[in-house]
Amino acid sequence: AQSVTQLDSQVPVFEEAPVELRCNYSSSVSVYLFWYVQYPNQGLQLLLKYLSGSTLVKGINGFEAEFNKSQTSFHLRKPSVHISDTAEYFCAGDTGRRALTFGSGTRLQVQP
Amino acid sequence: KAGVTQTPRYLIKTRGQQVTLSCSPISGHRSVSWYQQTPGQGLQFLFEYFSETQRNKGNFPGRFSGRQFSNSRSEMNVSTLELGDSALYLCASSSLGPGSVDTEAFFGQGTRLTVV
Repeated sequence: AQSVTQLDSQVPVFEEAPVELRCNYSSSVSVYLFWYVQYPNQGLQLLLKYLSGSTLVKGINGFEAEFNKSQTSFHLRKPSVHISDTAEYFCAGDTGRRALTFGSGTRLQVQP
Repeated sequence: KAGVTQTPRYLIKTRGQQVTLSCSPISGHRSVSWYQQTPGQGLQFLFEYFSETQRNKGNFPGRFSGRQFSNSRSEMNVSTLELGDSALYLCASSSLGPGSVDTEAFFGQGTRLTVV
């Protein structure tokens, strides 16, 4: 079975500082990985996805993630955060069954 | 292009009742998935439909069921509601069929169900 682990439940950071949200996955089969963002009282919005190919994936709003097979990680990064990035971020995996397995989420709190 | 529409947005039901939630996918999308989001269990996959057929099912009791119509609209039904069924139920639609993940799953805003 596949599992996705987000190592930090909350990450406080000051505005314009860099941030990294950590995600590790475990799977015995090929995996597709995603990062989603959820704003209060909203659904999920896709930030970026890794399907194959280049291990560095660029997404929307200046976010990027690096797929590391040896460390089974898919950490999300942004070089400079804004207040508007305050939200909950979810890492998710899919083994091709179109059934996403989500991590427990990381609440990013950007402080002025 | 309209997004994924879920109705109703909020719902309050009593234990033992049943409830039906509706999801209208983006026009042209044939795959609809349902997820349950709770503070304790997080986001969990319920089931996925494609062309009126349930393709995948998560680990939920039989009280949770769904269906998809020929216009790709989907409904989810929960019978004999329990307090623990209180959650945000999210629907997602995508354009490609099973076996292909090279597409984005677009999520609706969800239906918040409260069981009292």
